Amino acid sequence: RKEVEQDPGPFNVPEGATVAFNCTYSNSASQSFFWYRQDCRKEPKLLMSVYSSGNEDGRFTAQLNRASQYISLLIRDSKLSDSATYLCVVRPRGYNKLIFGAGTRLAVHP
Amino acid sequence: DVKVTQSSRYLVKRTGEKVFLECVQDMDHENMFWYRQDPGLGLRLIYFSYDVKMKEKGDIPEGYSVSREKKERFSLILESASTNQTSMYLCASGSRDEQYFGPGTRLTVT
Repeated sequence: RKEVEQDPGPFNVPEGATVAFNCTYSNSASQSFFWYRQDCRKEPKLLMSVYSSGNEDGRFTAQLNRASQYISLLIRDSKLSDSATYLCVVRPRGYNKLIFGAGTRLAVHP
Repeated sequence: DVKVTQSSRYLVKRTGEKVFLECVQDMDHENMFWYRQDPGLGLRLIYFSYDVKMKEKGDIPEGYSVSREKKERFSLILESASTNQTSMYLCASGSRDEQYFGPGTRLTVT
């Protein structure tokens, strides 16, 4: 079983739609959680951290459910520029490394 | 702006050749990382370094070695390239949680 699992997609949505991705992780001792974004043929970049209480950054909302070991990302009012692959990332407690999911691809169309 | 640069965007090498991939960062980060990214597998950590001359194995170190002689530079070495090392190689620097990636080197081993 992969340590971090994501639905690869693609999620094809029209502009203005709301879309949500989930991600599950297997290590219950995971301490830190993130969403990274990777545009086609580009490097990954940190989109946002995910906090236990949930957090929002503009149109993006991230949630963490420790009991069920999943993380979610909600994108409201999708833009064409949101088209990318979204990587779910966790860091287990006591580890100095990040563990990346394989990513969920989002395609926003006009 | 953080800048992480990699020596080549595209590289083609023959089986058995020794390959050097270089990475330079300009943010005085202690930590530097080498990943490979393959479709469906996501980013997998090869090696990382938390200080000059210090290195730690990641999840898939076999067939690779690294060198960190200066803080800003982290090199990945393929001692004898094999076709299963054909991949996208990404270097990153930063903290345990927030990593800044270089543009990647697409290596093809024929």
